[in-house]
Amino acid sequence: SQTIHQWPATLVQPVGSPLSLECTVEGTSNPNLYWYRQAAGRGLQLLFYSVGIGQISSEVPQNLSASRPQDRQFILSSKKLLLSDSGFYLCAWTGRGTTDTQYFGPGTRLTVL
Amino acid sequence: GQSLEQPSEVTAVEGAIVQINCTYQTSGFYGLSWYQQHDGGAPTFLSYNALDGLEETGRFSSFLSRSDSYGYLLLQELQMKDSASYFCAVSHEVGTDKLIFGTGTRLQVFP
Repeated sequence: SQTIHQWPATLVQPVGSPLSLECTVEGTSNPNLYWYRQAAGRGLQLLFYSVGIGQISSEVPQNLSASRPQDRQFILSSKKLLLSDSGFYLCAWTGRGTTDTQYFGPGTRLTVL
Repeated sequence: GQSLEQPSEVTAVEGAIVQINCTYQTSGFYGLSWYQQHDGGAPTFLSYNALDGLEETGRFSSFLSRSDSYGYLLLQELQMKDSASYFCAVSHEVGTDKLIFGTGTRLQVFP
């Protein structure tokens, strides 16, 4: 069966510090991968998606970046965090040729102080 | 722009039936999904409609009318554990499986 992992689960970082969040998927190959951010009590905002290794599309301009160094690994990064980067970060995957069902990881709760 | 509208909050009692509506306006449409999210947790998939009509999965049913750009999630025999946020999402771009999510409806079930 397929599983998706994210770490860390929680993170408290000072403004201006770097960020690296990791997501890995097991039990499937060549998935589409997604990074979302969710502010408290709000909906999900798509940040990045990837259809293959090294293929990243950005949905919103911001100080975040994403990379996909391996087929089932997706990394979200920042060189200098802003207060507005606080939120719940979710990674998700879909299989190819599916009904677009997205499966989410457990998320990382980031607080920037 | 692209938008999905849902009521912000719905309340009901155990055993009741509740309907959560979703109207959408998107540049493309391939299907409507529903996700459930408990506080502090990740969204989990509930249902998907690509064609008009009703899809039933246990206590949950989902309906779609593409001509009206409208869908709803119907929850029957409500239980306390159904208290959560519910999001509708539109598949709008073939090949990428990208979804546009609504702002979510918070359902509170009371005893």
